[in-house]
Amino acid sequence: AQSVTQLGSHVSVSEGALVLLRCNYSSSVPPYLFWYVQYPNQGLQLLLKYTTGATLVKGINGFEAEFKKSETSFHLTKPSAHMSDAAEYFCAVSGPGYTGNQFYFGTGTSLTVIP
Amino acid sequence: KAGVTQTPRYLIKTRGQQVTLSCSPISGHRSVSWYQQTPGQGLQFLFEYFSETQRNKGNFPGRFSGRQFSNSRSEMNVSTLELGDSALYLCASSLNPEQGTEAFFGQGTRLTVV
Repeated sequence: AQSVTQLGSHVSVSEGALVLLRCNYSSSVPPYLFWYVQYPNQGLQLLLKYTTGATLVKGINGFEAEFKKSETSFHLTKPSAHMSDAAEYFCAVSGPGYTGNQFYFGTGTSLTVIP
Repeated sequence: KAGVTQTPRYLIKTRGQQVTLSCSPISGHRSVSWYQQTPGQGLQFLFEYFSETQRNKGNFPGRFSGRQFSNSRSEMNVSTLELGDSALYLCASSLNPEQGTEAFFGQGTRLTVV
């Protein structure tokens, strides 16, 4: 079974519109949750993470994500898309509920921003 | 603080050859993981090392191997290269993954097998 599911491999939004990228995890125990961004031919850069505490997490570049235990979700949002947000986004989990000391990544969502 | 450094950035090899990729983690990070990224398969976990010990291994053939040195630097080796091994290979280091610390990624090595 998929450890992390990202709904929508491609998402297109207009510049200035809301960005919503979906992520659901499969474990019954809340894991550690991460969002990463990847630009072409680059490594992954951490946007934000949730381990414990406040369920609404703010990250870099105006992104935020909310951990919802009841929905086993950690969706990424940004109120107003910018052209520079066009990239590949990965949700990842680690820790409780997952075997091994590794990160499990979703299949990624490619975000296109239309001018 | 220096980030994760991967060398080389680009590599072209011929089928049947072998290749060694190098990764220098962030200072103080003892966990190093390797991933293969291809357009069709996304990010596939290869293996994770911690203090010179391989703790986890992904579902890859034995042609893929790795090691970690006492200074936490890591290498991965692919023998008898196949066309399908063409990919971006990413290395990531983490301070303490079981405690929720994030992975920091290098820029990757783009391997092309011809």
